[in-house]
Amino acid sequence: DTGVSQNPRHKITKRGQNVTFRCDPISEHNRLYWYRQTLGQGPEFLTYFQNEAQLEKSRLLSDRFSAERPKGSFSTLEIQRTEQGDSAMYLCASSLSQGSEKLFFGSGTQLSVL
Amino acid sequence: AQKVTQAQTEISVVEKEDVTLDCVYETRDTTYYLFWYKQPPSGELVFLIRRNSFDEQNEISGRYSWNFQKSTSSFNFTITASQVVDSAVYFCALSVGSAGNNRKLIWGLGTSLAVNP
Repeated sequence: DTGVSQNPRHKITKRGQNVTFRCDPISEHNRLYWYRQTLGQGPEFLTYFQNEAQLEKSRLLSDRFSAERPKGSFSTLEIQRTEQGDSAMYLCASSLSQGSEKLFFGSGTQLSVL
Repeated sequence: AQKVTQAQTEISVVEKEDVTLDCVYETRDTTYYLFWYKQPPSGELVFLIRRNSFDEQNEISGRYSWNFQKSTSSFNFTITASQVVDSAVYFCALSVGSAGNNRKLIWGLGTSLAVNP
């Protein structure tokens, strides 16, 4: 069990560019979540997967955001045409599919949009 | 409406002091789960405890203890004999519904704890 791994740890980009983040969950976990966190706030839900199926997307998630989990293992989160308001920490978490089981979080990807 | 309030934004203590982090929640659901997570400077949120609404028994884990009181809708967290490594932001969170669902976790704003040597 190596924990949840996220890459890159930091990403600096110019406004309008596309960025992609990767998350490798704990291997036996079939649920995978993406959250966003800004300074002084708790995590904000973006989307989650049960295996390869994306079961829900937050209404806060604009069309510029897309997430995939093609083989039910790792996941990618892409942001197209980044805006300064996208600057945040993007957190990935995984869990077993047993309702409110505890989440295991990665260290996050800090995105800065200049 | 569901809500989690952590009234203490920042707390600063000296090592070995006891410290209590407050958490007050609001929900009309009778079945729900409460969580505490720790976020150290490295950024990775670490699960500390989960408690369901039917289990009001207080829990102790080493220097950590939790006091769940439905009468006051509180789920407070106490660190006994604090250590510098306890310095972190601590989040209280609420999940509603019988099956619960981590996507519906409602988070407080966090309490930043600084333990000074």
